[in-house]
Amino acid sequence: GQSLEQPSEVTAVEGAIVQINCTYQTSGFYGLSWYQQHDGGAPTFLSYNGLDGLEETGRFSSFLSRSDSYGYLLLQELQMKDSASYFCAVRDFMNSGGYQKVTFGIGTKLQVIP
Amino acid sequence: KAGVTQTPRYLIKTRGQQVTLSCSPISGHRSVSWYQQTPGQGLQFLFEYFSETQRNKGNFPGRFSGRQFSNSRSEMNVSTLELGDSALYLCASSLEAGGETQYFGPGTRLLVL
Repeated sequence: GQSLEQPSEVTAVEGAIVQINCTYQTSGFYGLSWYQQHDGGAPTFLSYNGLDGLEETGRFSSFLSRSDSYGYLLLQELQMKDSASYFCAVRDFMNSGGYQKVTFGIGTKLQVIP
Repeated sequence: KAGVTQTPRYLIKTRGQQVTLSCSPISGHRSVSWYQQTPGQGLQFLFEYFSETQRNKGNFPGRFSGRQFSNSRSEMNVSTLELGDSALYLCASSLEAGGETQYFGPGTRLLVL
């Protein structure tokens, strides 16, 4: 079956760097996406890795290793507003019916402290 | 461009009733996906529509259904509501089916009593 694992909570200091890991077990893997969700808000897209390597978007970077079924989101120069939940997500095949399915991790709650 | 809009934003129903939620995607986006979010189960994929056809689906019972109109607007219907259906229902739009960049709406918070 499909499953994603990520830490449930992470605490980091303002101005520091934090890495949120995601390991996955899927069939027919297409790529790994990351989303941010503030309390009471909707998820917002951060990045997507379809190929191995690092993708950088401002203070955020995301990495994928398909051979290790592993990826991470790196947040640099942390700001208080980065306190939110971060989800990794994969699109893969369901076991039957030829359908694709999007699976989200349970989310990592990041708390940035002064 | 206007973002993804969902109506209604809040809804209270009782067990056994049915409910219809609506989603209007970003202009030009042809794919709409629906998700259920609960504290215990997180974000779970319901289904994805593209060009008025259901292209992909998750592991939800047949009580959950949807459709998409020619203008890409989508509706989701839940029949015979159960207490466990209380959740935040999110829709997300993308340019094409299987698009990895999805833009989420604010959600409809459904409470089943």
